[in-house]
Amino acid sequence: GAVVSQHPSWVICKSGTSVKIECRSLDFQATTMFWYRQFPKQSLMLMATSNEGSKATYEQGVEKDKFLINHASLTLSTLTVTSAHPEDSSFYICSAGPYLSTDTQYFGPGTRLTVL
Amino acid sequence: GENVEQHPSTLSVQEGDSAVIKCTYSDSASNYFPWYKQELGKRPQLIIDIRSNVGEKKDQRIAVTLNKTAKHFSLHITETQPEDSAVYFCAASRPSSNTGKLIFGQGTTLQVKP
Repeated sequence: GAVVSQHPSWVICKSGTSVKIECRSLDFQATTMFWYRQFPKQSLMLMATSNEGSKATYEQGVEKDKFLINHASLTLSTLTVTSAHPEDSSFYICSAGPYLSTDTQYFGPGTRLTVL
Repeated sequence: GENVEQHPSTLSVQEGDSAVIKCTYSDSASNYFPWYKQELGKRPQLIIDIRSNVGEKKDQRIAVTLNKTAKHFSLHITETQPEDSAVYFCAASRPSSNTGKLIFGQGTTLQVKP
């Protein structure tokens, strides 16, 4: 149980375009999902907390207009990187917690974004 | 703000030896402490976790200890094997008031030499 998927697994795009990444909890419902960014050989940096049916909560320093988050259902959250630039190239990972518990989190496989 | 410090950043051991990774946290309200193992290019995998009402937890070759007074917790891996080589992250959260937001340590790259 507790399987989280992400799509796509990797994406290459041109500078200035927007990229949407999907995060799905496959066998449980998650009221809260989290989006992280990870640069090579670094730790996971929390970008935002995605709450089903309400606005996401962004961490300090993360531009909400650049990283649009939508959590329309208990099994799906999306992250859209708008007007992507080379500095946005990174490994984006989502996580989700079981519906009845808010502590244990399970991670998606990640999305490798490369902006040319 | 909330902070988790993890040491060492790299750790190299001989196969069969033990490995210990230590973390300290700043938020005294933290009550959940998971450990994740991440292989290159893969997702972090939960390997063990501990809650603040417990001082120690063991799962086969892996154990975690928690000292709430000192605000530190440690991961212990015994009889290490080459497949234990990976990056290990500790984390802390206080789910009851913070929607389960995890604060991660900087990570430890463990290398187990055959």
